[in-house]
Amino acid sequence: DGGITQSPKYLFRKEGQNVTLSCEQNLNHDAMYWYRQDPGQGLRLIYYSQIVNDFQKGDIAEGYSVSREKKESFPLTVTSAQKNPTAFYLCASSFTGVMTEAFFGQGTRLTVV
Amino acid sequence: EDQVTQSPEALRLQEGESSSLNCSYTVSGLRGLFWYRQDPGKGPEFLFTLYSAGEEKEKERLKATLTKKESFLHITAPKPEDSATYLCAVQVSGAGSYQLTFGKGTKLSVIP
Repeated sequence: DGGITQSPKYLFRKEGQNVTLSCEQNLNHDAMYWYRQDPGQGLRLIYYSQIVNDFQKGDIAEGYSVSREKKESFPLTVTSAQKNPTAFYLCASSFTGVMTEAFFGQGTRLTVV
Repeated sequence: EDQVTQSPEALRLQEGESSSLNCSYTVSGLRGLFWYRQDPGKGPEFLFTLYSAGEEKEKERLKATLTKKESFLHITAPKPEDSATYLCAVQVSGAGSYQLTFGKGTKLSVIP
């Protein structure tokens, strides 16, 4: 079955800790994305990558970091510099090009305790 | 700045009561407009892509249309299982960029 797998589904972080969210896809997509979703807000782009070993900041990259060492994987690290990390995090992937829809994982809900 | 506005924020319908959701956009150059459905606690599920004004796409009780400034998602004779948040997103012209800009969504509740 092709798809995007995010893990874990729920994650709890103590203040001052870094945590890493996993995203793996087997759709052979070139592009991968991380979005953050807060109640009453649209999805906001954190980082995106269109090719291995290359990525760009989105609208709200501060306090986050990513890597793209493999085509299939795009992990997101939420660092201690992110002041309000509690949110629902969504990973997506797509082919690159015009009119290419993005497919989403099931999300990771991160809570600071 | 590219903007996507969805209305209404929330909509309650009786089962069988048809209606429309609106997505208006102000962008520098539209490459494509996308509709997604999102259930609580889940990732968005792709529904439609529209590219040019006048284009229409249909899937079961849903029909999406596109004009030069807005898109509508028409829901005909909705059922309770159509209850979800519907998200609109645009892909805009830009050097090598393919990411989507999302609206805040319309939360649809269909009452039996």
